[in-house]
Amino acid sequence: DGGITQSPKYLFRKEGQNVTLSCEQNLNHDAMYWYRQDPGQGLRLIYYSQIVNDFQKGDIAEGYSVSREKKESFPLTVTSAQKNPTAFYLCASRLAGGITDTQYFGPGTRLTVL
Amino acid sequence: GQQVMQIPQYQHVQEGEDFTTYCNSSTTLSNIQWYKQRPGGHPVFLIQLVKSGEVKKQKRLTFQFGEAKKNSSLHITATQTTDVGTYFCAGLLRGGADGLTFGKGTHLIIQP
Repeated sequence: DGGITQSPKYLFRKEGQNVTLSCEQNLNHDAMYWYRQDPGQGLRLIYYSQIVNDFQKGDIAEGYSVSREKKESFPLTVTSAQKNPTAFYLCASRLAGGITDTQYFGPGTRLTVL
Repeated sequence: GQQVMQIPQYQHVQEGEDFTTYCNSSTTLSNIQWYKQRPGGHPVFLIQLVKSGEVKKQKRLTFQFGEAKKNSSLHITATQTTDVGTYFCAGLLRGGADGLTFGKGTHLIIQP
């Protein structure tokens, strides 16, 4: 929230196409995260990055890829290998070494694959 | 595997009634956080509990962390229509850098 932007808010793609979701933060946070939210499923971690040029797989990384070339940006690519890509995607960031582990979420992107 | 369980999944209350959601972890948590997500919105941080047995209050909301640091609860007194949304607990299971493990959330529906 506040300082994290995701675009677009709604995204439609045809099956078989790769699509990249944008996530930008100006909070000077070190760590960034991508979650997927499905109805009744809560949030599941896709990928996370603690520092620039480094990222780790989360619980459901298959069919997704990320990059972290800049501290401010952590784009997520949903590839055609992702079997069920329609979902609400949330990006979050956290200040590493802070007093709390609070994660700040962006407004999310709703992806619909037709 | 490690997980965070949250109940109930849905809760209907009359406006003015109290509401409680419970969170349980299969393993000891470093800390637990609570988030609220309004319909159509994104999760917003409410609070973090760190100490065993900790209790924190925010106006009508009371948060508790169990003595064993495996469970937590959120209690809302005298619900209002503005309390509508989904409440998530999230635990730090593997260390802060890995990301939080979220419960599936409790959807609070308030009938006026």
